[in-house]
Amino acid sequence: DVKVTQSSRYLVKRTGEKVFLECVQDMDHENMFWYRQDPGLGLRLIYFSYDVKMKEKGDIPEGYSVSREKKERFSLILESASTNQTSMYLCASSSTGTGLYEQYFGPGTRLTVT
Amino acid sequence: SQQGEEDPQALSIQEGENATMNCSYKTSINNLQWYRQNSGRGLVHLILIRSNEREKHSGRLRVTLDTSKKSSSLLITASRAADTASYFCATPEDYGGSQGNLIFGKGTKLSVKP
Repeated sequence: DVKVTQSSRYLVKRTGEKVFLECVQDMDHENMFWYRQDPGLGLRLIYFSYDVKMKEKGDIPEGYSVSREKKERFSLILESASTNQTSMYLCASSSTGTGLYEQYFGPGTRLTVT
Repeated sequence: SQQGEEDPQALSIQEGENATMNCSYKTSINNLQWYRQNSGRGLVHLILIRSNEREKHSGRLRVTLDTSKKSSSLLITASRAADTASYFCATPEDYGGSQGNLIFGKGTKLSVKP
């Protein structure tokens, strides 16, 4: 059974703190993604990675960075958290094998920055 | 960039009724996918329809695809309270590309009343 896990379901951080969100998949997928989801705005892609040590900016990368040192793990870093980064963060992975790219999502991390 | 757009934004029905949601997209695609999201959780892949298919069934789900109109519909028959969720369509950002990015619509929020 495919599985994507995220390090926390709920997280509360203070403005200016460095925040790490971790995502692990056990499906040997090449592609991994970080989205944020806000009411009325849908899912917005922050960063994605299609291979170890590779990363590409998505639609809203400002204020975020990522790290992919191992194939199964993709970390999202908020260098200095701000209140406008309060959101639901979703990690996903997909395989390039079929060329169809179904994405498998983690349960999400609801981050609150105060 | 906005690719898929669902319609309606919200739908409220009684248990046992059918629910129909529509999705329109803009560019050429090789497949279209539907996902479900229960409140506060990650998205779950429901069904994928390839561009050379017109209709696909999975249990109580029926998906149609009209590539000439660039539209798709998701029908849930004999709905249950447990079907209450948001439903998203997604299409590949880069037809024929290798990176597997999907563009998600903003979703239809379905409420099934017992």
